[in-house]
Amino acid sequence: AQSVAQPEDQVNVAEGNPLTVKCTYSVSGNPYLFWYVQYPNRGLQFLLKYITGDNLVKGSYGFEAEFNKSQTSFHLKKPSALVSDSALYFCAVRDIEIQGAQKLVFGQGTRLTINP
Amino acid sequence: DAGITQSPRYKITETGRQVTLMCHQTWSHSYMFWYRQDLGHGLRLIYYSAAADITDKGEVPDGYVVSRSKTENFPLTLESATRSQTSVYFCASSHTTGGISGNTIYFGEGSWLTVV
Repeated sequence: AQSVAQPEDQVNVAEGNPLTVKCTYSVSGNPYLFWYVQYPNRGLQFLLKYITGDNLVKGSYGFEAEFNKSQTSFHLKKPSALVSDSALYFCAVRDIEIQGAQKLVFGQGTRLTINP
Repeated sequence: DAGITQSPRYKITETGRQVTLMCHQTWSHSYMFWYRQDLGHGLRLIYYSAAADITDKGEVPDGYVVSRSKTENFPLTLESATRSQTSVYFCASSHTTGGISGNTIYFGEGSWLTVV
């Protein structure tokens, strides 16, 4: 079965520093990978996705993610963190496709805190 | 833009009562999903639907019923609520698998359900 793992429950970064939120995946076949962000009491917002092509994917709010096939990783990055980036981040992988439905399997989430 | 709306946003109910969570989307997406979010489990798929009148079980379907008589609506019913169903429920939708917008799932704002 397809799965993703987020090895860190929590990440703390000082404002202005670069940030990385880690994700590793396990899939059969080509991976379709996603990052979502969840702010308090809100739904999940799509940040970016990797389907094919360039290993560096750029997304919303200045985030980017690097797909690394040899390390089976899809880490989320941002060059300079903002306090407003503090949120819960989820990595996800597409599960099997039945009747065209894009079922996603989510990691357990990483809480990112940016300290002023 | 409120493409997916969920109601109620907050609900407290008693054990054994029937509860229905509503989900409405305005994008004419074919695919709709219900996830639950619990601490330590991330998001888990309850049910999904590929089109009107087509539904299928996800990872944790027990105790839930869904229907999809119209493309835009995908209600989730807890037939006899239990305390273990206390959770945050997210409805989501996606377009077809192809095209630029394909493969991305968009989430509603969530319904917080407490069963006492």
